[in-house]
Amino acid sequence: GAGVSQTPSNKVTEKGKYVELRCDPISGHTALYWYRQSLGQGPEFLIYFQGTGAADDSGLPNDRFFAVRPEGSVSTLKIQRTERGDSAVYLCASSSIPGQGGEQFFGPGTRLTVL
Amino acid sequence: DQQVKQNSPSLSVQEGRISILNCDYTNSMFDYFLWYKKYPAEGPTFLISISSIKDKNEDGRFTVFLNKSAKHLSLHIVPSQPGDSAVYFCAAPPGGTSYGKLTFGQGTILTVHP
Repeated sequence: GAGVSQTPSNKVTEKGKYVELRCDPISGHTALYWYRQSLGQGPEFLIYFQGTGAADDSGLPNDRFFAVRPEGSVSTLKIQRTERGDSAVYLCASSSIPGQGGEQFFGPGTRLTVL
Repeated sequence: DQQVKQNSPSLSVQEGRISILNCDYTNSMFDYFLWYKKYPAEGPTFLISISSIKDKNEDGRFTVFLNKSAKHLSLHIVPSQPGDSAVYFCAAPPGGTSYGKLTFGQGTILTVHP
């Protein structure tokens, strides 16, 4: 079956613009995660969905960042008034029923560049 | 506050030899750990995990060791192969669980020379 897919693979935008990043998880996976990875660092947690609801959004850096998962499958990460510091690779991951060994399946990421 | 640390940014080994990647953690609540491997332009892929009830877990060429008293874990790859060249991350979910948001280390770039 298909893995986690993310679109677009690359996004270049100007400071102050609005962007949307999309994640299609593995079919049937109830948990979905967003992470952000800056150069030379490990992925940093942003938000975690269980079904349609955000179970933990403690990693969102500020109120410019927002994510939704309206039907419990596809998720969109939305960034308003982008800043140069938002430039990073945004990774999405999904997993099956919680408790199944913790393994998360990652997509290839969206590389966001804010000019 | 870096709760999971990988203090070696890079490691270079010869094909056929052992690769040892290290990871330290500061949060004593962590009791489950995972290693992920990442190739360029791809997302991380799960490699192996260990629960704190064990001190060792083995899967083929990969073995993870956990020293709870030292808050240290290591990944051993024997024998190393050129295809193992990648960035390796250790990660931990919240204490008391084996799932949920992962806290990652900074990663170690492994290069295996033919």
